[in-house]
Amino acid sequence: AQKVTQAQTEISVVEKEDVTLDCVYETRDTTYYLFWYKQPPSGELVFLIRRNSFDEQNEISGRYSWNFQKSTSSFNFTITASQVVDSAVYFCALSEAAGTASKLTFGTGTRLQVTL
Amino acid sequence: EPEVTQTPSHQVTQMGQEVILRCVPISNHLYFYWYRQILGQKVEFLVSFYNNEISEKSEIFDDQFSVERPDGSNFTLKIRSTKLEDSAMYFCASSDMRLGRKLFFGSGTQLSVL
Repeated sequence: AQKVTQAQTEISVVEKEDVTLDCVYETRDTTYYLFWYKQPPSGELVFLIRRNSFDEQNEISGRYSWNFQKSTSSFNFTITASQVVDSAVYFCALSEAAGTASKLTFGTGTRLQVTL
Repeated sequence: EPEVTQTPSHQVTQMGQEVILRCVPISNHLYFYWYRQILGQKVEFLVSFYNNEISEKSEIFDDQFSVERPDGSNFTLKIRSTKLEDSAMYFCASSDMRLGRKLFFGSGTQLSVL
């Protein structure tokens, strides 16, 4: 069975600080996909990134970067120079290759609070 | 960017009543999903739907739940006899490829069962 663990329930930082959100996953599949979604206070789920299990290259998109380490089953997310608008709940999710559709298993989320 | 549209944004109902949550997935997508999020908790998979039938469902998706694609554009979730514990945010999502493609989520319907 697949499982996603986000051990950090809540993180509070001051604007311009860097922050890393941890994600650890469990799966028996060799082919799988990892995702990060952002849920701002308005409630919608906003896609941030998708990574497949064969691509361990780290990715950077503006102030966001992701570190995928298969050896430790982790897919951590770093926000550089955080801003108040980054305040949201961030969910890590996993989709296995088995099955007929892209069912996502979500972690419990990390609430990020960025203050001035 | 194309959007998944959900209506209504809020629904209040009495326990035991039937509710229908509506979704318009992105037009060229073939896979449709319902997820729910109880307040303060994680997002949970309910059901996936492809080719006019359920492809997978979770333990949550019991006989009180059903899904339908009544026409070429809408995708609905029906709860026949609502319970207090059905109160949650319900998200519809769609995707255009079987595996690995990102799911496009709607803004959700907040269901409150009184």
